[in-house]
Amino acid sequence: GAGVSQSPSNKVTEKGKDVELRCDPISGHTALYWYRQSLGQGLEFLIYFQGNSAPDKSGLPSDRFSAERTGGSVSTLTIQRTQQEDSAVYLCASSLVVPPDTQYFGPGTRLTVL
Amino acid sequence: QKEVEQNSGPLSVPEGAIASLNCTYSDRGSQSFFWYRQYSGKSPELIMSIYSNGDKEDGRFTAQLNKASQYVSLLIRDSQPSDSATYLCAVRFNNDMRFGAGTRLTVKP
Repeated sequence: GAGVSQSPSNKVTEKGKDVELRCDPISGHTALYWYRQSLGQGLEFLIYFQGNSAPDKSGLPSDRFSAERTGGSVSTLTIQRTQQEDSAVYLCASSLVVPPDTQYFGPGTRLTVL
Repeated sequence: QKEVEQNSGPLSVPEGAIASLNCTYSDRGSQSFFWYRQYSGKSPELIMSIYSNGDKEDGRFTAQLNKASQYVSLLIRDSQPSDSATYLCAVRFNNDMRFGAGTRLTVKP
């Protein structure tokens, strides 16, 4: 079956512009995660969705970041008024919530803010 | 704050040797443990998952879990140059999944 997909694969934007990143999880996976990975760094947790529960937004770095998940499937991460420090690879992952609860990652969106 | 700690490396081993990667975690109630491999410029991919104390073997890979010591490790036997990558330890507690910063492994021919 299809894996996790993300779009766009690359996004170059100017400082101050808004961007939207999209994630299509694996069908049937109720858990969806967004991470950020800067060059040479580890994964930074951003936000977690599980079914119809309120999302865990504890990792969002500022109020410029928001995310939604429509219909329990597709998710969009929005960054408003982008800054150069937002440049990173944004990774989405989905999983079941009971074992095997492995997270499967999408290919990521590389965001460059000029 | 739930922490997952790994030595950042780099860890360098000769081809054919055993590579040993270690991870400690702070939340004693953690339930699921994972090792991911990440090649440069690529997304993480699952190597092993382990849920109970002891060893779990899959080919050249063995994951070891010790919940009392809050320690999980990954052994790679007969290391190959293609194993050169960053290895990420991940730990789940309820809905909370946390990753270590990763250990960079280089296998020299």
